[in-house]
Amino acid sequence: EAGVAQSPRYKIIEKRQSVAFWCNPISGHATLYWYQQILGQGPKLLIQFQNNGVVDDSQLPKDRFSAERLKGVDSTLKIQPAKLEDSAVYLCASTDRKETQYFGPGTRLLVL
Amino acid sequence: AQSVTQPDIHITVSEGASLELRCNYSYGATPYLFWYVQSPGQGLQLLLKYFSGDTLVQGIKGFEAEFKRSQSSFNLRKPSVHWSDAAEYFCAVVLSNDYKLSFGAGTTVTVRA
Repeated sequence: EAGVAQSPRYKIIEKRQSVAFWCNPISGHATLYWYQQILGQGPKLLIQFQNNGVVDDSQLPKDRFSAERLKGVDSTLKIQPAKLEDSAVYLCASTDRKETQYFGPGTRLLVL
Repeated sequence: AQSVTQPDIHITVSEGASLELRCNYSYGATPYLFWYVQSPGQGLQLLLKYFSGDTLVQGIKGFEAEFKRSQSSFNLRKPSVHWSDAAEYFCAVVLSNDYKLSFGAGTTVTVRA
C-alpha cells in the first residue's frame, strides 16, 4: 500500500513570495491533515479535512495560509505571502480511522 | 490545561544499551496514546499505539510502551538500541471525542558506538 505522498520535499523562497505544497493521501482515506513542525517542536495541526470539507481550521493563519481539497483526494496548502517565521516542515497526514494518522515525508520550507 | 510532556529533550545512549523515553499527559479522561519516530529528514512513522486493554503494548522495531493510568504515563522502551534508532521520538495523544493529535515536544536520541 502506497503511503502519503508530498511534494516538493524541499523549498527555499524569499519572504513575501508565495509557495504551495501538495499532498496525496493513502487511497481511501477520507480524513486529511496538514501540520506545521517548527524546528525543535512537535507538529501542530493547521487544518483538518473530511473528504472535501473543512472540519477544523482554527489554527490556520488565514491571512496568509489557505488550503483546499477540491475532489476529496489530494490537497494543496498555500502560503501567500511567506514570512521568515513560516520556515518549518509541513507534514500531511491521512486516516481512514480517526484514531490513527499516517504521515508523509514532509516538505521542508526555508524562508530567507 | 491539557498537555503532553516529554521531560527529556535529549538522551544519549550506547549501542546495545537499554532505552527508556518518558511521556506524561494531563487530560481529564484517558486518551488514545501514540509514539512516533522521526528520522533525520523524514516524516513521522508510527511505532505503537494504545487504545485500551493490555497496558503493555508491542510496536515495530523492537519497541514497547507501558500505559500507567495512576501515573498518567506512557513510557517507551527498547531493551537494546541499534545505531539506526538515533532519531527524534514524539509522544502524542488523541482524545476520543475530538480525534485531534496533540504532540509532545519530542526527545532526541543519540546513539554512541
